[in-house]
Amino acid sequence: DAGVIQSPRHEVTEMGQEVTLRCKPISGHNSLFWYRQTMMRGLELLIYFNNNVPIDDSGMPEDRFSAKMPNASFSTLKIQPSEPRDSAVYFCASSLAMGEAQPQHFGDGTRLSIL
Amino acid sequence: AQKVTQAQTEISVVEKEDVTLDCVYETRDTTYYLFWYKQPPSGELVFLIRRNSFDEQNEISGRYSWNFQKSTSSFNFTITASQVVDSAVYFCALSGGSNDYKLSFGAGTTVTVRA
Repeated sequence: DAGVIQSPRHEVTEMGQEVTLRCKPISGHNSLFWYRQTMMRGLELLIYFNNNVPIDDSGMPEDRFSAKMPNASFSTLKIQPSEPRDSAVYFCASSLAMGEAQPQHFGDGTRLSIL
Repeated sequence: AQKVTQAQTEISVVEKEDVTLDCVYETRDTTYYLFWYKQPPSGELVFLIRRNSFDEQNEISGRYSWNFQKSTSSFNFTITASQVVDSAVYFCALSGGSNDYKLSFGAGTTVTVRA
């Protein structure tokens, strides 16, 4: 079975540009999570969806960040406008939510560099 | 609030030595779930184990073993007879009770196994 698929794997762009990260969860999983990993702050949950509905976006740093899940097989995380401090590895993860926490399966991440 | 503390930032061992990674957690939930993930140098996050708060049995999987002690709020991880391929960052994570799917990660412990 295919795992969580993220694209692009690497993104380098200039400050002020819009950045869109994409994620395809594992088929059949109904929870999707976006994380950011930096040396300073470690792994931080940005937002998570259950059955395509955003449940908790308290980790989204500011209004420049937005996430959508238009259907069960696709999600995007958008940063507009991007800033150098947004440079990080962004992970998407999915799991099968059944009333108790199940293992989250992670994609390979998108390494984002904002110049 | 959920909190996970991995006090060991880095551990360096020689191949075939055993290494134990400490994980201490804080939660007010009576039902909760603990996880360990491995992040090798290639960067992906790999799920290793999930344990719920009602199951205090220790678990062994090959060279990996886990010691869950509710009395001390700890969920420690031991690698027996370490190998160079075990070199990675290891994360302990905590999720709350029913319908709470968020993971709170510790800061991670970097394990370096030298040949």
